[in-house]
Amino acid sequence: AQSVTQLGSHVSVSEGALVLLRCNYSSSVPPYLFWYVQYPNQGLQLLLKYTSAATLVKGINDFEAEFKKSETSFHLTKPSAHMSDAAEYFCAVSERGANSKLTFGKGITLSVRP
Amino acid sequence: DVKVTQSSRYLVKRTGEKVFLECVQDMDHENMFWYRQDPGLGLRLIYFSYDVKMKEKGDIPEGYSVSREKKERFSLILESASTNQTSMYLCASSSAGLAGGGDTQYFGPGTRLTVL
Repeated sequence: AQSVTQLGSHVSVSEGALVLLRCNYSSSVPPYLFWYVQYPNQGLQLLLKYTSAATLVKGINDFEAEFKKSETSFHLTKPSAHMSDAAEYFCAVSERGANSKLTFGKGITLSVRP
Repeated sequence: DVKVTQSSRYLVKRTGEKVFLECVQDMDHENMFWYRQDPGLGLRLIYFSYDVKMKEKGDIPEGYSVSREKKERFSLILESASTNQTSMYLCASSSAGLAGGGDTQYFGPGTRLTVL
């Protein structure tokens, strides 16, 4: 069975600092991988996804993530945090195959200090 | 833009009531999903549907049922609400896609249900 691990529940960075949110997955075959963001009082929206094209994936708002098969990781980064990045971030995995469902990690809250 | 709407943002019900949560998508998506979101637990899949009148259990189906009579509408039903069903409920939809999997799920704003 596939699973996703997001270590820690909260990350705090200063405005302008590097953002690094970690995600490790467990899957028997290379999966599809996703990062979603949830702003306060809103549903989730897609930041980026890996579907076996380039291993470095660029998303919205200058976020990017790199798929590393050897490390079973898909960490999310952003070079310079902005106050508006404060939100909850979810990593998710989907096995290859028709109509696959998503398995989400527990989520991590990002705070940005002025 | 894809739009997924949920019938209520906030709902308060009493223990034992029958509760209906409605979700509508406007992009002709084949797949629809119901999740519940709890602090520290992330999103957990309750039920999903790949076609009209079709449903499959997710990871936590106990105490819930669903209905999909039309392609655009997916309803979550709590037959007899209990306090442990107090949670945020999120609906999502996605297209079937050609390769299978990898399709983006689009989420509604959520319904925060409180059962007293």
